[in-house]
Amino acid sequence: AQTVTQSQPEMSVQEAETVTLSCTYDTSESNYYLFWYKQPPSRQMILVIRQEAYKQQNATENRFSVNFQKAAKSFSLKISDSQLGDTAMYFCASLFKNAGNMLTFGGGTRLMVKP
Amino acid sequence: ETGVTQSPTHLIKTRGQQVTLRCSSQSGHNTVSWYQQALGQGPQFIFQYYREEENGRGNFPPRFSGLQFPNYSSELNVNALELDDSALYLCASSFNRGADTQYFGPGTRLTVL
Repeated sequence: AQTVTQSQPEMSVQEAETVTLSCTYDTSESNYYLFWYKQPPSRQMILVIRQEAYKQQNATENRFSVNFQKAAKSFSLKISDSQLGDTAMYFCASLFKNAGNMLTFGGGTRLMVKP
Repeated sequence: ETGVTQSPTHLIKTRGQQVTLRCSSQSGHNTVSWYQQALGQGPQFIFQYYREEENGRGNFPPRFSGLQFPNYSSELNVNALELDDSALYLCASSFNRGADTQYFGPGTRLTVL
């Protein structure tokens, strides 16, 4: 079975600072995709960033970037210049092409951005 | 472009009843996936529909069933509701099955009393 683990249940950061959220996963597959989703109190799951495992280059989206370490099976999310609107639950997720096209989620990290 | 929509927003049922949740996929998407998110946890995959056929199922009992219609909208039906079915039910659509990014709706909060 594929598993995704987020070891930080809660984190906080001061506005304008940088924070890194951790995620590890376990798989024997070679063809997979990794995602970070954000879930604010409004409940809607919003895509933050996507990484294809076959790409060595780390994905970036404006203030959001990932550190993808394939050998270590690690996929951390860095948020630069944190904003109050970044306060939310963050979920790491994986999709393995040979495992039913389903997203497997970690347990989430609650991020609080403080003014 | 219209995003993924779900109805109703909230629902309260009693144990043993049946419930139907609805999802309209994003324009141009032919694949819909359903997830159950218990309070304080990450979502769990229920099943996926591609072009009106079930295309994968998670570890949920048969009383969880679904449909996809020719316009790619979808329903999730749960029979014989149990207290543990209380959760946020999320629908996600994608352009195609496989590795395409899944875009989520706002969810339906189901409470079973």
